[in-house]
Amino acid sequence: QKEVEQNSGPLSVPEGAIASLNCTYSDRVSQSFFWYRQYSGKSPELIMSIYSNGDKEDGRFTAQLNKASQYVSLLIRDSQPSDSATYLCAVSDGNNRLAFGKGNQVVVIP
Amino acid sequence: DAMVIQNPRYQVTQFGKPVTLSCSQTLNHNVMYWYQQKSSQAPKLLFHYYDKDFNNEADTPDNFQSRRPNTSFCFLDIRSPGLGDAAMYLCATSLAGGNNEQFFGPGTRLTVL
Repeated sequence: QKEVEQNSGPLSVPEGAIASLNCTYSDRVSQSFFWYRQYSGKSPELIMSIYSNGDKEDGRFTAQLNKASQYVSLLIRDSQPSDSATYLCAVSDGNNRLAFGKGNQVVVIP
Repeated sequence: DAMVIQNPRYQVTQFGKPVTLSCSQTLNHNVMYWYQQKSSQAPKLLFHYYDKDFNNEADTPDNFQSRRPNTSFCFLDIRSPGLGDAAMYLCATSLAGGNNEQFFGPGTRLTVL
């Protein structure tokens, strides 16, 4: 069974600091990786997609992928209170399905 | 703007009373998904349609059914809702043959009394 692990508990960061989230996955053949942001009571919103090893930056977000080590991470720079949400890591199985991690809650403290 | 729409946003039903949730999309995506998400849990895939081909997940209860009458619309039918079916139901779409980026609708919050 394909698994996506997000093991860190809730993450509290001061406003303006960097929030770092990690995700590991079990299926070596996975090719597509995503980070979704989900506010309480709302649906997931796609914020980052990454397909190649290395870093991908989009505004204050940076996704990092290391296929050899089977992990993908998300950095949020200059964290804002509006970044307080749950962040879901998702990995494509190549058959039109995504496997989701359980999510990491981020709380940005003003 | 192209989008995924779900109706209703909130649905209250009684134990055992059938309910239908709807999803429509203007993205012209050929894959549509239904997820169930309970509090503090990851979205759980119930089934998906690749065009007209229905793909059920092995652990989806028979109580859950789906219909896709055309490319734009997809319905989730819960034949006899139980208290354990109270959840957020999420519809998502993607373009097959791409990178499987999935875009979610706003969700329907189902309450079972």
